[in-house]
Amino acid sequence: AQKVTQAQTEISVVEKEDVTLDCVYETRDTTYYLFWYKQPPSGELVFLIRRNSFDEQNEISGRYSWNFQKSTSSFNFTITASQVVDSAVYFCALSEARSNYQLIWGAGTKLIIKP
Amino acid sequence: EAQVTQNPRYLITVTGKKLTVTCSQNMNHEYMSWYRQDPGLGLRQIYYSMNVEVTDKGDVPEGYKVSRKEKRNFPLILESPSPNQTSLYFCASSLSSQGGQVTEAFFGQGTRLTVV
Repeated sequence: AQKVTQAQTEISVVEKEDVTLDCVYETRDTTYYLFWYKQPPSGELVFLIRRNSFDEQNEISGRYSWNFQKSTSSFNFTITASQVVDSAVYFCALSEARSNYQLIWGAGTKLIIKP
Repeated sequence: EAQVTQNPRYLITVTGKKLTVTCSQNMNHEYMSWYRQDPGLGLRQIYYSMNVEVTDKGDVPEGYKVSRKEKRNFPLILESPSPNQTSLYFCASSLSSQGGQVTEAFFGQGTRLTVV
């Protein structure tokens, strides 16, 4: 069963548009962690955010914001005023105690920002 | 500088020729793991290690071996590589433990392996 679902395989927007990447997860643990990573065309994996299950506060970092909603098991990521440099594949991941905190990855969303 | 170092970055080899991809971290992390990334399949865990001399299979362990003799190193061994192991490989380390302290995973730069 898919534990982390990123339903959007690819999204294409024009620069300066806002874009939201969806992430839905499944877990029976009460303690778990959620992550977002960015993989630019150069291939490395860049950590963006970690959120634990007890902290439902939304987070904003510059043009990036994250909306964590336990009621809908979602951890969505929004880029405001997108830029070409935001073009990348974005991964959502889950880490839960019952799986020895292994990272369980979504399939990724390829984001294309057109100039 | 905190980092995870993988070598080599690129490797082309022939079927059946044993190879090792090295991975080293300088953050004293307990948890290390190996992933492979294939188009359309995302990242899949091969093996992980929760501490020295403690390793366990991930989702796709067949054809791979690992060892964790020291905390900082976690090599990935392909005893007899086959073309279906052509992939992009990542090593990662983190502070995650059964004690519940979980940090983000730090990733190496990746190793692009081609088996012909």
